Amino acid sequence: GENVEQHPSTLSVQEGDSAVIKCTYSDSASNYFPWYKQELGKGPQLIIDIRSNVGEKKDQRIAVTLNKTAKHFSLHITETQPEDSAVYFCAASTGTYKYIFGTGTRLKVLA
Amino acid sequence: GAGVSQSPSNKVTEKGKDVELRCDPISGHTALYWYRQSLGQGLEFLIYFQGNSAPDKSGLPSDRFSAERTGGSVSTLTIQRTQQEDSAVYLCASSSRQGMNIQYFGAGTRLSVL
Repeated sequence: GENVEQHPSTLSVQEGDSAVIKCTYSDSASNYFPWYKQELGKGPQLIIDIRSNVGEKKDQRIAVTLNKTAKHFSLHITETQPEDSAVYFCAASTGTYKYIFGTGTRLKVLA
Repeated sequence: GAGVSQSPSNKVTEKGKDVELRCDPISGHTALYWYRQSLGQGLEFLIYFQGNSAPDKSGLPSDRFSAERTGGSVSTLTIQRTQQEDSAVYLCASSSRQGMNIQYFGAGTRLSVL
């Protein structure tokens, strides 16, 4: 069935360094890829998304890249700050209501 | 406007009891989702409501789980005869039919079954 694999499960970086989280999806019909950030005790919040008709999207320190041929997409956070510490989830959708989520990456930014 | 609201935020119950979890979606959102998030795990899809259409119940793990959505707005997730493995955070999300159906999540209900 449809599957999204996410790596790594945990990631520790020094403040100011970059962080990269990678996801691979199985359904070639997927055309929408959101990324969510979940802080402790809160629900996931959308931070950036990308559609299949573009290869990269940036929003300040956050960027997402998509490789449709390889069926993988990545989240890049530059100049990390302590407030970036959270759990990050990727997801894939074929444009219908259903999202398939990755298992999450716990990012720790060390001051 | 207000976001997705869930209540209670925490629920502790004894094994075998029934529980009801409530979700109040963003006003005007026609789609509503329930997910389960077990400790250290991803988001497990449970059920989806869209307007007056029949819900997609394909993610409900057993017949002890049910959900309803009254008047196309508030939804209640009911777990009967709770088991310890039901302990998790239950998240609700809502979305508009427009665009790519971006899902907006509530803060969740943390359920602990003793």
